[in-house]
Amino acid sequence: SQQGEEDPQALSIQEGENATMNCSYKTSINNLQWYRQNSGRGLVHLILIRSNEREKHSGRLRVTLDTSKKSSSLLITASRAADTASYFCATDSGNTPLVFGKGTRLSVIA
Amino acid sequence: EAQVTQNPRYLITVTGKKLTVTCSQNMNHEYMSWYRQDPGLGLRQIYYSMNVEVTDKGDVPEGYKVSRKEKRNFPLILESPSPNQTSLYFCASSPLWGNNQPQHFGDGTRLSIL
Repeated sequence: SQQGEEDPQALSIQEGENATMNCSYKTSINNLQWYRQNSGRGLVHLILIRSNEREKHSGRLRVTLDTSKKSSSLLITASRAADTASYFCATDSGNTPLVFGKGTRLSVIA
Repeated sequence: EAQVTQNPRYLITVTGKKLTVTCSQNMNHEYMSWYRQDPGLGLRQIYYSMNVEVTDKGDVPEGYKVSRKEKRNFPLILESPSPNQTSLYFCASSPLWGNNQPQHFGDGTRLSIL
């Protein structure tokens, strides 16, 4: 089944820097979502972008979608130690369940 | 508080001993789903339910059963657990079936099958 693949697998940055994570997928999608998972906790929905959208913002988060390249990026600006978590993209193509990628582990060092 | 509640949070048990992981949501959501999370494999869907008495297989349903007798509850049943079912399990719900819906996740159940 189609699957988003996040890149990089792990990312370590200093507090205050920007963090960029990428997600690539294989087949056409209807929607793409980003989730955050803190250690030992469930996933938390961050943002959803539809296939006809190119960019969305939510607070310090910026998501872009390039359907021609079958890729999306999540940018976290002015990162904080509390942003340390794993980030997952999830894709769907209509009447199919969401398919999650394997995630990017972000470490923000104070 | 709107939430998805899973129990137990942790369980160590032995091969073959039937177990049930409960999941309950208080948001009147129609759609509920079970995932397992394994290192290097990400989240994989086990079963999902679009509404009461409607369930369907996800990507990795073998060895699991579910039921949806009422809207708020969606238990995951392992009739004869085996060590390869050792994993971190998540229940999730959303208001409706449809992938433009954010999923609300429980905090997970860590199962160890010896």
